[in-house]
Amino acid sequence: DVKVTQSSRYLVKRTGEKVFLECVQDMDHENMFWYRQDPGLGLRLIYFSYDVKMKEKGDIPEGYSVSREKKERFSLILESASTNQTSMYLCASSTGRTGYGYTFGSGTRLTVV
Amino acid sequence: AQSVSQHNHHVILSEAASLELGCNYSYGGTVNLFWYVQYPGQHLQLLLKYFSGDPLVKGIKGFEAEFIKSKFSFNLRKPSVQWSDTAEYFCAVNAIWGGATNKLIFGTGTLLAVQP
Repeated sequence: DVKVTQSSRYLVKRTGEKVFLECVQDMDHENMFWYRQDPGLGLRLIYFSYDVKMKEKGDIPEGYSVSREKKERFSLILESASTNQTSMYLCASSTGRTGYGYTFGSGTRLTVV
Repeated sequence: AQSVSQHNHHVILSEAASLELGCNYSYGGTVNLFWYVQYPGQHLQLLLKYFSGDPLVKGIKGFEAEFIKSKFSFNLRKPSVQWSDTAEYFCAVNAIWGGATNKLIFGTGTLLAVQP
């Protein structure tokens, strides 16, 4: 069964901490995505990547960065966590150019206190 | 910029009632359209998709959606809902243009509660 695995289901971090959210996929997909999900706002795209070492800003990249050193791994970095970054973070991967075939991870619920 | 609007934020229905959830998008070119569902505590799953051809598409669990290009709409329907359809539903759009991108833009979601 193909999978997108997010390393943590729940995280609690302090304001100002540097936070790493890890995502690994085992489908050899070239595309990977980070979204955040907030009630009433749906899913908003933070960053995405088409290939190793490539990254593109999504709709809300401020306060975040990403790293993709290997094809299967896409990391989201909160350089200095703030309370307004408390959210559910979803990783997804896909192949091709049609938007089809997204596979989502189970999400990481991050609370910044 | 592309955007997706879902007009119903919360919908409460009784079992066996009919369902229609609205979705409109803003992009004048070619699009691929999707409906995703998120059951409580679970990850997002694809319900159905439209790429081309018959504008009435059928998905899993008895759901269907109709693409009306002139209205920029892709509404989700089900003739008779069940308690197990309680979930959050997201419409998503992938605009096709020359760049090598396949990012999905999601709507804000509709929370459906079906009362037994």
